Amino acid sequence: SAVISQKPSRDICQRGTSLTIQCQVDSQVTMMFWYRQQPGQSLTLIATANQGSEATYESGFVIDKFPISRPNLTFSTLTVSNMSPEDSSIYLCSVVLNEQFFGPGTRLTVL
Amino acid sequence: GQQLNQSPQSMFIQEGEDVSMNCTSSSIFNTWLWYKQDPGEGPVLLIALYKAGELTSNGRLTAQFGITRKDSFLNISASIPSDVGIYFCAGGIYNQGGKLIFGQGTELSVKP
Repeated sequence: SAVISQKPSRDICQRGTSLTIQCQVDSQVTMMFWYRQQPGQSLTLIATANQGSEATYESGFVIDKFPISRPNLTFSTLTVSNMSPEDSSIYLCSVVLNEQFFGPGTRLTVL
Repeated sequence: GQQLNQSPQSMFIQEGEDVSMNCTSSSIFNTWLWYKQDPGEGPVLLIALYKAGELTSNGRLTAQFGITRKDSFLNISASIPSDVGIYFCAGGIYNQGGKLIFGQGTELSVKP
């Protein structure tokens, strides 16, 4: 299995600001994924982040709002830009290493 | 787009009872996965299924990959209080890498 850590674990932010979430994996992985889980809801894929190429975004998510970096095979960041209360969610990174594993999530509250 | 219908939405059962939940889709999936999420945590993988008709067990948990590849079920036998949580099914397609489509979740409550 993979050990995935995320920072911060939670944050409370003001409207209009940006937050960068970090994801660190204990193994080298080709593909990393960022999911969003809105309050009381299921998980929705935001984008797929491959090392050495631009992230691929799902319908309804754009790079300007959720820029992603993938500088190496064990690390990725997701930025939530120009936040509004509707961005209040849990953001989870995920990797495939034989199976698909999830990090503990970052709980974001936007006031 | 692809959607998964997971049922039931919630269950309230007595400790010791068996539990069954399922997911259906109008689309075919190559893999079915079942996760459990505890409050404040990320989803934890319970069972992964890769072949139509496959029946796999993990302790008291049993899951099956439907023969049509459009459905899956998860059974929990002899439930215990630590089974409490939200269970999600997820379907995946090989040529979409690790992209998963998640069901809406089943919230399980177990009364001691």
